[in-house]
Amino acid sequence: DTEVTQTPKHLVMGMTNKKSLKCEQHMGHRAMYWYKQKAKKPPELMFVYSYEKLSINESVPSRFSPECPNSSLLNLHLHALQPEDSALYLCASSQDMRTATTNYGYTFGSGTRLTVV
Amino acid sequence: GENVEQHPSTLSVQEGDSAVIKCTYSDSASNYFPWYKQELGKRPQLIIDIRSNVGEKKDQRIAVTLNKTAKHFSLHITETQPEDSAVYFCAARSGGNQFYFGTGTSLTVIP
Repeated sequence: DTEVTQTPKHLVMGMTNKKSLKCEQHMGHRAMYWYKQKAKKPPELMFVYSYEKLSINESVPSRFSPECPNSSLLNLHLHALQPEDSALYLCASSQDMRTATTNYGYTFGSGTRLTVV
Repeated sequence: GENVEQHPSTLSVQEGDSAVIKCTYSDSASNYFPWYKQELGKRPQLIIDIRSNVGEKKDQRIAVTLNKTAKHFSLHITETQPEDSAVYFCAARSGGNQFYFGTGTSLTVIP
């Protein structure tokens, strides 16, 4: 399995709702990432988990709450979002962000297109 | 931290012509430089990459060159086809092991 699977693919939520985005990979990657992407803009890093521990939080508002239950799963819990949070949310994984490895690259999931109304 | 700049932001070429996209980076410790292609509504997909100990890499119609001294790297697409139309992002993996993306180039190949 060489894919990163994200669910749901589309999500519409109200500003008072609580929802979760899910990401799963079975490539044995030990680093997992959440990115936010607006149309035609580069992905913006939100969070990085390395060996199931949160290693980077790019000053993301607390209405976004990441969780890494195990080495294959990454969740992003959403609560009280704003319309400007509407974007494509991308999960990615890589072998290891701490040490040099043969494969440096990211594998991106297909993303969840989030609309906040 | 690392700063990656990408030019041009938009590029239109006739089918069959070549396209070149250029990126510069600031962190001399950056050691890996991937290029991603993103079609409308889809995920970024790795199309080619280069490590800091290599000056050039080619894969069929796509090539990447790296000049470590000048801290720039470029994507070259030859014999462009309409299906090459997409947004292309360069990225640099910094000495701190984080990826930094360029601002993207919207490439249109005109049939």
